[in-house]
Amino acid sequence: EDKVVQSPLSLVVHEGDTVTLNCSYEVTNFRSLLWYKQEKKAPTFLFMLTSSGIEKKSGRLSSILDKKELFSILNITATQTGDSAIYLCAVVGGSNYKLTFGKGTLLTVNP
Amino acid sequence: DGGITQSPKYLFRKEGQNVTLSCEQNLNHDAMYWYRQDPGQGLRLIYYSQIVNDFQKGDIAEGYSVSREKKESFPLTVTSAQKNPTAFYLCASSMASAGGQETQYFGPGTRLLVL
Repeated sequence: EDKVVQSPLSLVVHEGDTVTLNCSYEVTNFRSLLWYKQEKKAPTFLFMLTSSGIEKKSGRLSSILDKKELFSILNITATQTGDSAIYLCAVVGGSNYKLTFGKGTLLTVNP
Repeated sequence: DGGITQSPKYLFRKEGQNVTLSCEQNLNHDAMYWYRQDPGQGLRLIYYSQIVNDFQKGDIAEGYSVSREKKESFPLTVTSAQKNPTAFYLCASSMASAGGQETQYFGPGTRLLVL
């Protein structure tokens, strides 16, 4: 059975801190790994990673994939209160290329 | 504006009642998906459809049904057989389900509550 595990499940930091969110996976026929940010409603797409060692960056957020060790990290530098959200990791794989989600990391950034 | 819409925003179901959640997209995406989100559980796949007139069961299909008669529309029916339907339901679509086009984009969700 495909499995995606995120850690920590929740995290509380102060504005300006740097955080690292983890995602490990066991998926047959791996295709890609995606990160989403979910505030109140719909998850919004952040990154799609398919190759090991290539960092994807968007402003203060960055992510990298290690296909040998089967994990990805999402870094957020100089956190702001607007970064408070659930961060979801999902992996595309399996026989039908479906998405398997982790349970998410709830990040709270306090002023 | 291109996007995915879901309606209603909130839905109340009585015992023994079937209810249908709407999902429409104008992104010209081939693939559409339904997820259920419960607190602490993450998103779980109910059904998905890669092309019109075809759909497959996801991980938790029991008590649900879908149809895909049009590319733009993928309604989900929560039947009376679903014993614990209270959850947040998210619809998503992607250009395709593979080939680097599998990024899924989500609608705003429908919160279903049982009376």
